[in-house]
Amino acid sequence: DSGVTQTPKHLITATGQRVTLRCSPRSGDLSVYWYQQSLDQGLQFLIHYYNGEERAKGNILERFSAQQFPDLHSELNLSSLELGDSALYFCASSVGMGNQPQHFGDGTRLSIL
Amino acid sequence: AQRVTQPEKLLSVFKGAPVELKCNYSYSGSPELFWYVQYSRQRLQLLLRHISRESIKGFTADLNKGETSFHLKKPFAQEEDSAMYYCALRFSGGYNKLIFGAGTRLAVHP
Repeated sequence: DSGVTQTPKHLITATGQRVTLRCSPRSGDLSVYWYQQSLDQGLQFLIHYYNGEERAKGNILERFSAQQFPDLHSELNLSSLELGDSALYFCASSVGMGNQPQHFGDGTRLSIL
Repeated sequence: AQRVTQPEKLLSVFKGAPVELKCNYSYSGSPELFWYVQYSRQRLQLLLRHISRESIKGFTADLNKGETSFHLKKPFAQEEDSAMYYCALRFSGGYNKLIFGAGTRLAVHP
């Protein structure tokens, strides 16, 4: 158990809908990262938050947004969903912003029908 | 541009055989590299980081800056090593962003 908690584990929805994925980092970790794992794109970095502030953006679509709350949990919001958004979405956390290793959650599997 | 290349999608070996999972990187800065393992679509688990120079589950990896490689090796593969292995480069633009390779599936047969 990495200590990173992601909910829900599975999510099935339809095109055009909006979903929210939730991540609770390990106790004491201030950084949260979101990654998308799909069959065609592999594992792609989406966004990084540190202590409530956005620190870096990767290949994140404009339809996607995220935030980190004062209690350090984070939510990834995906809107106007398309079939291609079907993927496994991982959250990871680390203590700070430096070279500490990232610890991953179990992921949320999103299926768009 | 930063890039991590894992040339093999699948590596199939027999139990007891040596294993080498290849990873090459492209990065103009000082690289920091990791190997993550993913069993049966579970979460990614950190296996090795090059700065630790450790051996985990019999796996080792050495950073070769001349060849820009960070190959993962194990002298005797076990069936429980079957998993997806991802090489990752930490982008040291100050933000701890990881760039992953496409991954290599290791299948160890009895």
